[in-house]
Amino acid sequence: NAGVTQTPKFQVLKTGQSMTLQCAQDMNHEYMSWYRQDPGMGLRLIHYSVGAGITDQGEVPNGYNVSRSTTEDFPLRLLSAAPSQTSVYFCASSYSVQGTEAFFGQGTRLTVV
Amino acid sequence: RKEVEQDPGPFNVPEGATVAFNCTYSNSASQSFFWYRQDCRKEPKLLMSVYSSGNEDGRFTAQLNRASQYISLLIRDSKLSDSATYLCVLGGSSASKIIFGSGTRLSIRP
Repeated sequence: NAGVTQTPKFQVLKTGQSMTLQCAQDMNHEYMSWYRQDPGMGLRLIHYSVGAGITDQGEVPNGYNVSRSTTEDFPLRLLSAAPSQTSVYFCASSYSVQGTEAFFGQGTRLTVV
Repeated sequence: RKEVEQDPGPFNVPEGATVAFNCTYSNSASQSFFWYRQDCRKEPKLLMSVYSSGNEDGRFTAQLNRASQYISLLIRDSKLSDSATYLCVLGGSSASKIIFGSGTRLSIRP
């Protein structure tokens, strides 16, 4: 049981480059979400999805796009990387929004130079 | 007002002490509550769910006060391994998203 798989684990980008962070879960979870966590800070919600074909913005969506074409996958796309996007990114999933445990991927450590 | 508020700490307590954290929330429609633990540079993991009647898991006790809109976590006989950041989490409100608090840092000293 793989749970939530995030790739890559580490990435260095140059300013202006674009890239996609991958997130996949094999638990048939409806709810998936992306967070960023800056050093010494809490999780900030970027985007979330309550099911395939449905996405919504979180607290800090600017500079990021998401799509949810399948239940399993929820990729996060950085459109034009900026140094302010240097952070650790976590993907999480849960069976539903209500009353169930959220499972996290191991995180992607992104540095934009 | 933030949807979830936690004292960021850090709480620095000696081994064996009892320590308690509170977390207040603003949306009275929130339906499910959890405490998560996050170790340095790791992903958050579920510590325990919080039930209306209160619940206990070994040295950990969680309580929910709907009238005052807060949840609490009590750690008894603290161990060095309890050093971590503790996040309160809310789910199932009309916002249709899971909401994480910013966390309370706990450091247990020998």
